[in-house]
Amino acid sequence: EDQVTQSPEALRLQEGESSSLNCSYTVSGLRGLFWYRQDPGKGPEFLFTLYSAGEEKEKERLKATLTKKESFLHITAPKPEDSATYLCAVQAAGANSKLTFGKGITLSVRP
Amino acid sequence: GAGVSQSPRYKVAKRGQDVALRCDPISGHVSLFWYQQALGQGPEFLTYFQNEAQLDKSGLPSDRFFAERPEGSVSTLKIQRTQQEDSAVYLCASSGQPLYEQYFGPGTRLTVT
Repeated sequence: EDQVTQSPEALRLQEGESSSLNCSYTVSGLRGLFWYRQDPGKGPEFLFTLYSAGEEKEKERLKATLTKKESFLHITAPKPEDSATYLCAVQAAGANSKLTFGKGITLSVRP
Repeated sequence: GAGVSQSPRYKVAKRGQDVALRCDPISGHVSLFWYQQALGQGPEFLTYFQNEAQLDKSGLPSDRFFAERPEGSVSTLKIQRTQQEDSAVYLCASSGQPLYEQYFGPGTRLTVT
């Protein structure tokens, strides 16, 4: 069974204090690993897809990286508007396209 | 362009009532997914359509849950004889191709009293 574990559950940062969010996974053949951002009362917003170990993608203050067992979402010099829940999900190789999500990491950035 | 839309945004049902939740995917997206998200948890897969065909319904928690997408566009998730444990946010997502990124709607928050 595919599993995704995210840590820590919650993270509080001061504005400008860089950090990383961790996503560990086990999957029977990885098709893709996805990062989403979710604001309260809204649906998840797509950020990145990573397909193979060693791949990196960047968007503004966010950079996602992937190894064979985990992914990291690095946040550089965060701002209060980066406060949200960050969800990691895996999609297994094969015909089924479903995403298996972790519980998410709630990030709070204080001004 | 327009994203995924869901209606209603909020639904309160008395235990035992039937409810119907609607999803309008992004125009032209062939794949449509339903997920259930409990408070403080990540979304959990319910069912998947490719066009009008329901290819996977392994995540539906009981036979009280039923989903359809008769014309390959709008989808409806129906829950019969609602129970308190059905209270959750129901998310719909669509993608242009089955294995591409999924775009989510705002969700329907269902509260069963």
